Order: sequence, then C-alpha cells, then structure tokens
Amino acid sequence: QKEVEQNSGPLSVPEGAIASLNCTYSDRGSQSFFWYRQYSGKSPELIMFIYSNGDKEDGRFTAQLNKASQYVSLLIRDSQPSDSATYLCAVNGAAGNKLTFGGGTRVLVKP
Amino acid sequence: EAEVAQSPRYKITEKSQAVAFWCDPISGHATLYWYRQILGQGPELLVQFQDESVVDDSQLPKDRFSAERLKGVDSTLKIQPAELGDSAMYLCASSLGQDHYEQYFGPGTRLTVT
Repeated sequence: QKEVEQNSGPLSVPEGAIASLNCTYSDRGSQSFFWYRQYSGKSPELIMFIYSNGDKEDGRFTAQLNKASQYVSLLIRDSQPSDSATYLCAVNGAAGNKLTFGGGTRVLVKP
Repeated sequence: EAEVAQSPRYKITEKSQAVAFWCDPISGHATLYWYRQILGQGPELLVQFQDESVVDDSQLPKDRFSAERLKGVDSTLKIQPAELGDSAMYLCASSLGQDHYEQYFGPGTRLTVT
C-alpha cells in the first residue's frame, strides 16, 4: 500500500462545475496536509494547506480533512480551463517535516 | 515576491559524466529539500537540510549523489557518474522550519542523460 494515494485521473470537468479530488494516507500520525498544483513541465505550486479536521476555504479552493478516516480532499469551485493541471497531495508525517507525495490527479477542465 | 532560485533550468549530459545543480532558497528559510520527480509520479525526497546539517538523506543514492549546504544558505546537488536512469526533474524546495511546514518549490532542473 502506498503511503499517499490519489486517483491518477484524468478527471474531466465542465467549465463552471466543481472538481472534487481525493487523497488517502496511511500514517495515522500525520499532522499536516498540502495540495500542490503542477502544470505540465513546471514545478509544483502550493495552493492549500490544512492542519486541523474540517474545512478550509481560500477563494475557489476548499480543502477538507478527516483524520479519523485518513482522508483529505480538495474542491475547486467554478472550474476554469486554467485549472487544468495535475494536483499533488502531500502529507507531513508524524516524524517531522518530511513530505510524502501522492502520484497526482490530472484534471481537465473543458470549455 | 520571494522565490526559490535554481540553475541550470535544463541540462543534457552523457552517461558517466558529472553534473551539478544549484539552489538558493527563500531568504530566511532554514530548511532546504532536494527532490527528484520522474514523469507521471510525485516528487521523492532525496535530501533534507536544516541550516547546514543533513536531517534526512535516507533516499539519496550515496554511491553517486552528494549534496552540501556549507553556509546554511544555498546548496549544491551533484551526480557523478550520471546514469541513464537519472533523467528526471530535480526540484529544490525550502520552508521556514520551526513548525512551519509549508514547502515552496523552485522552477526545477530538467536533466536528460544520453
């Protein structure tokens, strides 16, 4: 079992709709959780982080964390073609500030 | 806006040659990371520095890879000799440390070994 798992996609979403991305992790002691956006050929860009159970909203992005279920998600509202990218989930384990990344979910927003 | 700087952006080298990458973290960031990302996969940590000290190099292939951060600011990652399987994106990231775990990435170096 991988430490951080994501559906590789592609997740195809109509423009203006909500994109819902999921991520599960195996280390129950994980403390902090991150979502990165990566355009093709570019480096990852931090878009959201969440440390506590519940929801955290930033603009069109909402991160949701459920530590009991070892599950973190990202919602993208009013999806735009510019949101087409790979979204990486990263988890900071209990041992310190080492990030473990999932393989990423590719999102395609169609006009 | 503060950014992580990396150079070169692209490098093509022949196998068995030596190659080096440079990274300058965001000013004030104590923790520096080197990652390798193979196409279609997430980044994998190679080495982590806290100031000038190595905190984690458990995934660094030490027979051919070396990394240093002598003055606790910028860092160099070296591969010698390069192998075909080393072709990947090499990413540098930094974070404040001290319970601030958000990592910010530089633009990366795309390495092609022929």
